[in-house]
Amino acid sequence: DSGVTQTPKHLITATGQRVTLRCSPRSGDLSVYWYQQSLDQGLQFLIQYYNGEERAKGNILERFSAQQFPDLHSELNLSSLELGDSALYFCASSESTGSVFYEQYFGPGTRLTVT
Amino acid sequence: AQTVTQSQPEMSVQEAETVTLSCTYDTSESDYYLFWYKQPPSRQMILVIRQEAYKQQNATENRFSVNFQKAAKSFSLKISDSQLGDAAMYFCAYRSTLYGGATNKLIFGTGTLLAVQP
Repeated sequence: DSGVTQTPKHLITATGQRVTLRCSPRSGDLSVYWYQQSLDQGLQFLIQYYNGEERAKGNILERFSAQQFPDLHSELNLSSLELGDSALYFCASSESTGSVFYEQYFGPGTRLTVT
Repeated sequence: AQTVTQSQPEMSVQEAETVTLSCTYDTSESDYYLFWYKQPPSRQMILVIRQEAYKQQNATENRFSVNFQKAAKSFSLKISDSQLGDAAMYFCAYRSTLYGGATNKLIFGTGTLLAVQP
């Protein structure tokens, strides 16, 4: 158990809908990362937050957005869902950020299926 | 931009034998981190081993060791005395050490699916 929790574990929804994935980082971790794992795109970085502020963006679609709340949990919002959004979405957290190494601890992921 | 390449989609090894998984990467940076992650059927991402590019000594964690060739931009993982529990997808990953911007993100290869035969 990494200490990172993600809810829900599984989500099945229809095209055009909107969903919210939730992540609670390890106690004390200030940085949260979101990754998407799909068959065609592989594992790719979406976005990073640090202590409530967006720190870095990767290949995140405009239909997707995220935020980190004062209690440090984070939510990833996916809207106007398409079949291609079906994937495993991971959240990871680390103590801090920067040039020093801080291990990223991964949550169990949320499996999203768009039908 | 940095890229990570794993050219072996699948590998197989006999229990108790040794197997080596390959990874190459491309970067213009001189300092960075390299990782091997294990993803078993449970889908949990587990850090197996990491290597700091400035260190010449190859990292070792129990039965897992790496062969880091900086000039060749090669980073292979050797698993000794393979066990049934080693069966999983293995991902090679890169992380920059530069501060600022999208620097802490992990860049993953496409993975190698390792099967362990009893």
